[in-house]
Amino acid sequence: DGGITQSPKYLFRKEGQNVTLSCEQNLNHDAMYWYRQDPGQGLRLIYYSQIVNDFQKGDIAEGYSVSREKKESFPLTVTSAQKNPTAFYLCASAIYYSGANVLTFGAGSRLTVL
Amino acid sequence: AQKVTQAQTEISVVEKEDVTLDCVYETRDTTYYLFWYKQPPSGELVFLIRRNSFDEQNEISGRYSWNFQKSTSSFNFTITASQVVDSAVYFCALKGGTYKYIFGTGTRLKVLA
Repeated sequence: DGGITQSPKYLFRKEGQNVTLSCEQNLNHDAMYWYRQDPGQGLRLIYYSQIVNDFQKGDIAEGYSVSREKKESFPLTVTSAQKNPTAFYLCASAIYYSGANVLTFGAGSRLTVL
Repeated sequence: AQKVTQAQTEISVVEKEDVTLDCVYETRDTTYYLFWYKQPPSGELVFLIRRNSFDEQNEISGRYSWNFQKSTSSFNFTITASQVVDSAVYFCALKGGTYKYIFGTGTRLKVLA
């Protein structure tokens, strides 16, 4: 079955540590996205990538980094510079044609900073 | 600027009641797309519907229906005869001429047995 796999589902981190969240898709989608979800704030865009080796900052990119070396993979690193990293992180992808894309989401990764 | 407003933070209804979730959007794009997603307690967002700005026909899918009105910039979602399984957070989203999708803050629906 095609879909998006995010791992780990739950992650605990000590302050000052970098962590990397994995996102893999087998949908052959061109575009991939990372969103952060906090209670009462909806989904906020961190980074997105339209094609391999290219990505753009979203609305809240500070303290995060990404790479897009392969079409199917878009890992997100939460660095120690991110002041409040505890959140639910969602990865999504979309095929690009005529702008009428439907985002497909992964199951999410919940990061807790201890 | 693009914006999506879901003014209802949380709604509680008793099973079998009808409920409408409101979505108001702002955009200067003439071509845009509107979406509704459902987020059950498991966390994964599930796609429900997509509408483009040129199609104002209302849509019905089983107990779900959507009312798109460009005159009021609204894209409301109605669940008829709600069921406990409808309990979730529902998000409205907007996509204009860029790759960005703008999400509202979501409405938490609680359907009580």
